[in-house]
Amino acid sequence: DTGVSQNPRHKITKRGQNVTFRCDPISEHNRLYWYRQTLGQGPEFLTYFQNEAQLEKSRLLSDRFSAERPKGSFSTLEIQRTEQGDSAMYLCASSLEAGSGSPLHFGNGTRLTVT
Amino acid sequence: SQKIEQNSEALNIQEGKTATLTCNYTNYSPAYLQWYRQDPGRGPVFLLLIRENEKEKRKERLKVTFDTTLKQSLFHITASQPADSATYLCAPDTGRRALTFGSGTRLQVQP
Repeated sequence: DTGVSQNPRHKITKRGQNVTFRCDPISEHNRLYWYRQTLGQGPEFLTYFQNEAQLEKSRLLSDRFSAERPKGSFSTLEIQRTEQGDSAMYLCASSLEAGSGSPLHFGNGTRLTVT
Repeated sequence: SQKIEQNSEALNIQEGKTATLTCNYTNYSPAYLQWYRQDPGRGPVFLLLIRENEKEKRKERLKVTFDTTLKQSLFHITASQPADSATYLCAPDTGRRALTFGSGTRLQVQP
């Protein structure tokens, strides 16, 4: 079990640029989640996949954000035309599709700074 | 709207004492409640899950209670150690939606 891997660990970008993050979940996990976290707050849900299907997306998620999980393996989160308010830690998590109550296994996140 | 409340003020205690953290929720009917630990710059790590029909769950020095009438969960760390210093997050789990987390309580255990 190599755990959930996220790349890059840090990303600094200028406002208006596009950025893409990658998440490699635990291999036998069917569910993959993206969260965003700012200082002093808990993780805020963005979207989740079951295999390759995107099942839920936060209504707070701007159209500038898109996520994919081709072939139900790794996932990418893209932010287009970044804004300073996008600066945050972006966390990926995976879980077994064991119904409710499955614990989430988080990666150590990608910290995005938009200047 | 659904709301999760955790004490936003840091909890400072002496080593060896019991730390008690509170999680209150409103407009939820969770079937489970999960607790996570988060260290600075790292992702949250799962600690314990308690089901709605369980009053109490223990794991080593950790104890969680779940009162669905009060809509509250308490998280206890007995014989606390400086290594327990971290932020602790609760997440009521309805089983129908992705997990939503509270803002966390930072625990500082003084040697």
